[in-house]
Amino acid sequence: DAKTTQPPSMDCAEGRAANLPCNHSTISGNEYVYWYRQIHSQGPQYIIHGLKNNETNEMASLIITEDRKSSTLILPHATLRDTAVYYCIVRVSGSARQLTFGSGTQLTVLP
Amino acid sequence: GAVVSQHPSRVICKSGTSVKIECRSLDFQATTMFWYRQFPKKSLMLMATSNEGSKATYEQGVEKDKFLINHASLTLSTLTVTSAHPEDSSFYICSALRQEAWGYTFGSGTRLTVV
Repeated sequence: DAKTTQPPSMDCAEGRAANLPCNHSTISGNEYVYWYRQIHSQGPQYIIHGLKNNETNEMASLIITEDRKSSTLILPHATLRDTAVYYCIVRVSGSARQLTFGSGTQLTVLP
Repeated sequence: GAVVSQHPSRVICKSGTSVKIECRSLDFQATTMFWYRQFPKKSLMLMATSNEGSKATYEQGVEKDKFLINHASLTLSTLTVTSAHPEDSSFYICSALRQEAWGYTFGSGTRLTVV
């Protein structure tokens, strides 16, 4: 699986958009970008994933650059409950291997 | 859908005793489950991969005789921490792979404290 690089921490004001970047410059053509988050003392929660097109669901939007070497997770209106560690993971879909977690980004939403 | 139930959510045990943690997929069958361990302010580290009906595959450095994994059915995997010591205190998380609608669902985790 391709290595990812994320900033260790970010702050965001409540109600504003949170934009979390991820670099994955060694991504292969068949690897997807997945985002999970982990709220303190809970298991990770799936957010969104994409291959090359931008994706949006009820939780977030995922913007992937045209060269696919980086992506941004957007939480459009951050709330205090969005405070969590966000993990960007790159991997092939359909594999039965484990998800490998990096260090992620600690997002703190400030009141 | 796709719920994974993990029990207990927290447990305190004495040194030398054993603790069993259960991970159940409630609404799907999981031929593969994963067990992770997470220390404070650290990321999740894979301990082992559990396949239904076969022996678990352990990551390097994880003692298979200490962390017993059983995956006897398509909806249940258990992790038993045997002869627990204070250094085994950690947050243990299971994950189940949904192959028919490919994706991973995680349990809510178990906080183990060994005193």
